[in-house]
Amino acid sequence: DSGVTQTPKHLITATGQRVTLRCSPRSGDLSVYWYQQSLDQGLQFLIQYYNGEERAKGNILERFSAQQFPDLHSELNLSSLELGDSALYFCASSQGLVNEQFFGPGTRLTVL
Amino acid sequence: GIQVEQSPPDLILQEGANSTLRCNFSDSVNNLQWFHQNPWGQLINLFYIPSGTKQNGRLSATTVATERYSLLYISSSQTTDSGVYFCAAGRDGATNKLIFGTGTLLAVQP
Repeated sequence: DSGVTQTPKHLITATGQRVTLRCSPRSGDLSVYWYQQSLDQGLQFLIQYYNGEERAKGNILERFSAQQFPDLHSELNLSSLELGDSALYFCASSQGLVNEQFFGPGTRLTVL
Repeated sequence: GIQVEQSPPDLILQEGANSTLRCNFSDSVNNLQWFHQNPWGQLINLFYIPSGTKQNGRLSATTVATERYSLLYISSSQTTDSGVYFCAAGRDGATNKLIFGTGTLLAVQP
């Protein structure tokens, strides 16, 4: 158990819908990262927050957004879902900006 | 940005055999991690090793930062070692985002 929690574990929804994925980092970690794992794109960095502020953006679609709250948990919002958004979404956390990252169990999203 | 390449892409071993997985990266890094993704999809941290050598039981890793590669050694493999092994590197001290390789799929047969 990495100490990073993610909910829900599985999510099945329809095209055009909106979903929210939730992540709680390890105790004491200030950085939260979101990654997407799909069959065609592999594991890709989406976005990072550090102590509530957006720190870096990767290959994140405009339909996707995220935020980190004062208690340091983070949410990833995916809207206008398409079939190609089906993937495993991981949250990771680290203590600071240059530290080992620990990954949560992931949320498996299926868009039908 | 930095590119990460892993080899071999696939590996089949008999239980008890040893193996070496390689990770090449295209630029200097300040973060290098090895992960094992088990059949249930969980990413398990194996090593945080931007440089040097570490050992943890039957697993060890070495990163030669000046030559831009890292090696993961698995000795006396067990069926529970099966899964995908990922190397991930980061070089931006301001963000620490990880760039993942495409992984090595390991199957250990009894």
